[in-house]
Amino acid sequence: KNEVEQSPQNLTAQEGEFITINCSYSVGISALHWLQQHPGGGIVSLFMLSSGKKKHGRLIATINIQEKHSSLHITASHPRDSAVYICAVRLFGWYQGAQKLVFGQGTRLTINP
Amino acid sequence: DADVTQTPRNRITKTGKRIMLECSQTKGHDRMYWYRQDPGLGLRLIYYSFDVKDINKGEISDGYSVSRQAQAKFSLSLESAIPNQTALYFCATSDRALNNGGSSYNEQFFGPGTRLTVL
Repeated sequence: KNEVEQSPQNLTAQEGEFITINCSYSVGISALHWLQQHPGGGIVSLFMLSSGKKKHGRLIATINIQEKHSSLHITASHPRDSAVYICAVRLFGWYQGAQKLVFGQGTRLTINP
Repeated sequence: DADVTQTPRNRITKTGKRIMLECSQTKGHDRMYWYRQDPGLGLRLIYYSFDVKDINKGEISDGYSVSRQAQAKFSLSLESAIPNQTALYFCATSDRALNNGGSSYNEQFFGPGTRLTVL
């Protein structure tokens, strides 16, 4: 079993729909990252969080440390949100500051107009 | 200009050839990383470097070597490429750790990727 599991693996929705992507992990972590990989391959960091909730524009990320679960929500989805969304966790207790990240396999999101 | 650059962006080569992928960054970060991405799998760490004098193996270092020529440059080499090294390769950088309540975490910044095909 992978240490980081994302669901769903693929998601297709219509423009305007509310989107939820889930990430569950089985290890102790110090932080969780949500990344976006564009169709061209480039990866950008969306959020980094260790507790609670963060919001940026139409994107919201939440984490529940006790349940080892995080969600990424997109409100009023748009075709330009189509991308692969990747959850990555930073293991707790690894070399201080070295930041080993363990990645989920990604969720491919397609928003149709 | 991009903060983290990779060259080449695409490369097709033959089995047994030596290949070098280069990564440069202008962010002034100490830490640099090489990952590979395969379809259906998450990114996996090949090598990482804390500074110029520090090189460490990641989870899938066999068949690869690296060189940290300067703070800003981190190269990945495939000494004798094989087809199962066909993948998308990413370089990433991060700053020194920030500490918050005993844990440390920093954002990683990724290069645009190099698509390598080994025939």
